[in-house]
Amino acid sequence: SQTIHQWPATLVQPVGSPLSLECTVEGTSNPNLYWYRQAAGRGLQLLFYSVGIGQISSEVPQNLSASRPQDRQFILSSKKLLLSDSGFYLCAWRAGTGYTFGSGTRLTVV
Amino acid sequence: GENVEQHPSTLSVQEGDSAVIKCTYSDSASNYFPWYKQELGKGPQLIIDIRSNVGEKKDQRIAVTLNKTAKHFSLHITETQPEDSAVYFCAASKSNYQLIWGAGTKLIIKP
Repeated sequence: SQTIHQWPATLVQPVGSPLSLECTVEGTSNPNLYWYRQAAGRGLQLLFYSVGIGQISSEVPQNLSASRPQDRQFILSSKKLLLSDSGFYLCAWRAGTGYTFGSGTRLTVV
Repeated sequence: GENVEQHPSTLSVQEGDSAVIKCTYSDSASNYFPWYKQELGKGPQLIIDIRSNVGEKKDQRIAVTLNKTAKHFSLHITETQPEDSAVYFCAASKSNYQLIWGAGTKLIIKP
């Protein structure tokens, strides 16, 4: 069966520190992978998506970057976090038309 | 491009009553319309979806209706229960395109 793992679940980071969130999927090959962000009480904002290794599309220019070093691994990074980067980060993969989401990472930048 | 609007942003209903959440879309070529439920602190989960060749789909207490002419689709939850409290998202897409999301509806079930 297909599963998606996302970690850490919670993260508190100081302003200016780097960030690395990791997402891996199992049980599928060549998935389309996505990073979304949710601000408190808001909707889903698509940040990046990837259709294959090394292929990254950015939807919103900002302080974040993404990489896909392996077929089933998707990483969200920042060199220097801003207060506005706080939020709930969700990784997802698409099989056909349906999306499966990870459990999310709650990032608080202080 | 596609735009999806979702209403209301917050919905409060008495336990046992029905809840209806509505979405409209702009791209008449959209052919897939899923609904996701997000519980507090978790990722959204698909609860029901409908394709453009179907007008209605039911799964126990949940149903989705689609009006292609008017370009709107709705989620209906009957006999609401406390565990139905969550944020619900609608979305729309064309084949092989990204999902375009509504802004979400916070559903509150009052005991």
